[in-house]
Amino acid sequence: QKEVEQNSGPLSVPEGAIASLNCTYSDRGSQSFFWYRQYSGKSPELIMFIYSNGDKEDGRFTAQLNKASQYVSLLIRDSQPSDSATYLCAVKNTGRRALTFGSGTRLQVQP
Amino acid sequence: GAGVSQSPSNKVTEKGKDVELRCDPISGHTALYWYRQRLGQGLEFLIYFQGNSAPDKSGLPSDRFSAERTGESVSTLTIQRTQQEDSAVYLCASSLDNNYGYTFGSGTRLTVV
Repeated sequence: QKEVEQNSGPLSVPEGAIASLNCTYSDRGSQSFFWYRQYSGKSPELIMFIYSNGDKEDGRFTAQLNKASQYVSLLIRDSQPSDSATYLCAVKNTGRRALTFGSGTRLQVQP
Repeated sequence: GAGVSQSPSNKVTEKGKDVELRCDPISGHTALYWYRQRLGQGLEFLIYFQGNSAPDKSGLPSDRFSAERTGESVSTLTIQRTQQEDSAVYLCASSLDNNYGYTFGSGTRLTVV
């Protein structure tokens, strides 16, 4: 079992729809969770982080964390073609000082 | 500096040669990380530096890989006797400490021919 799992996609949504990206993790003691966006040929950029159970909203983005079920998700409202990218989930595992990244989900927003 | 700076941006080398990759983190960021990303793959952790503490080298794939960091400034990643499987984008990131999200550099694309 991978430590951080994501569906590779592509996830295709029409412009204006809500895109839902999911991530599960294996270390129950994980404390910090991050979402990065990576455009093709570019380096990852931080979108959101979440530490506590529940929802955290920032503009069109909402991160959701459920530690009991060991999943974290990212919702993108009013998806735009410019949101088309690979979204990486990253987790700070207990005993590790660096983030563990998932392989990413490729999102395609159709105009 | 304003961002994380990596050099060179591209490097083509012959199999068996040594290469050195450089990372200049954001000023004041005590934590520095190296990751590797093969084509179409996720990020693979290589090494982590935090201030003057001993580095976490647990991700280095073989003894051909080594890295150094001078205090809280520049880091270099050295790959000796490069192999074709070393071809990847090598990403450096820095953060205030290891509880914060990272800022990545633009990466060095290494191609071993």
